[in-house]
Amino acid sequence: LAKTTQPISMDSYEGQEVNITCSHNNIATNDYITWYQQFPSQGPRFIIQGYKTKVTNEVASLFIPADRKSSTLSLPRVSLSDTAVYYCLVGDMNTGGFKTIFGAGTRLFVKA
Amino acid sequence: DTEVTQTPKHLVMGMTNKKSLKCEQHMGHRAMYWYKQKAKKPPELMFVYSYEKLSINESVPSRFSPECPNSSLLNLHLHALQPEDSALYLCASSGVGGIRVYEQYFGPGTRLTVT
Repeated sequence: LAKTTQPISMDSYEGQEVNITCSHNNIATNDYITWYQQFPSQGPRFIIQGYKTKVTNEVASLFIPADRKSSTLSLPRVSLSDTAVYYCLVGDMNTGGFKTIFGAGTRLFVKA
Repeated sequence: DTEVTQTPKHLVMGMTNKKSLKCEQHMGHRAMYWYKQKAKKPPELMFVYSYEKLSINESVPSRFSPECPNSSLLNLHLHALQPEDSALYLCASSGVGGIRVYEQYFGPGTRLTVT
């Protein structure tokens, strides 16, 4: 399983775009990249998933360069309610192995 | 309905007690998971059930005993726990096969305190 590395914490202000980068140097050909968001005392919530290039949904965008050794979660115009921990996970898409391993996560604090 | 429910929300138990945590989902998911999360740490995978059969046991002590009575329900039976087992216990579910396992839906968790 590819190991992921993220910044421990980030600060931002309301209305700004926030980019959180995850490093996964040992990512395998069959691995997908998934991001989760977790608020205090709640379970994680799936945000977005991708394999290469760019994926966008109503919540965020995910940018993956050609070498796939890193990925960037982009949150447009954050608000106070985006204060949370964001986790990057990497896992095999073919075997569908259930062994999901969360990295340490990035604590995002959005200020007014 | 994309909701995973867990009961109870909070549980305080002594080291000699026996209790159970319950989890339910009605999304038709055939994979269900138990995670343990300590404060300011990421969730740690404990058990995975696939089609009601235990698929993964991450070397969890036997004082934790999972059970999957049917495709919608997941239980975690607790016995003779230690204070260090105090944590947030999270249940999740997902589809089976390929990348679907990484789109997991989590419940709100049970906050367990062992005294």
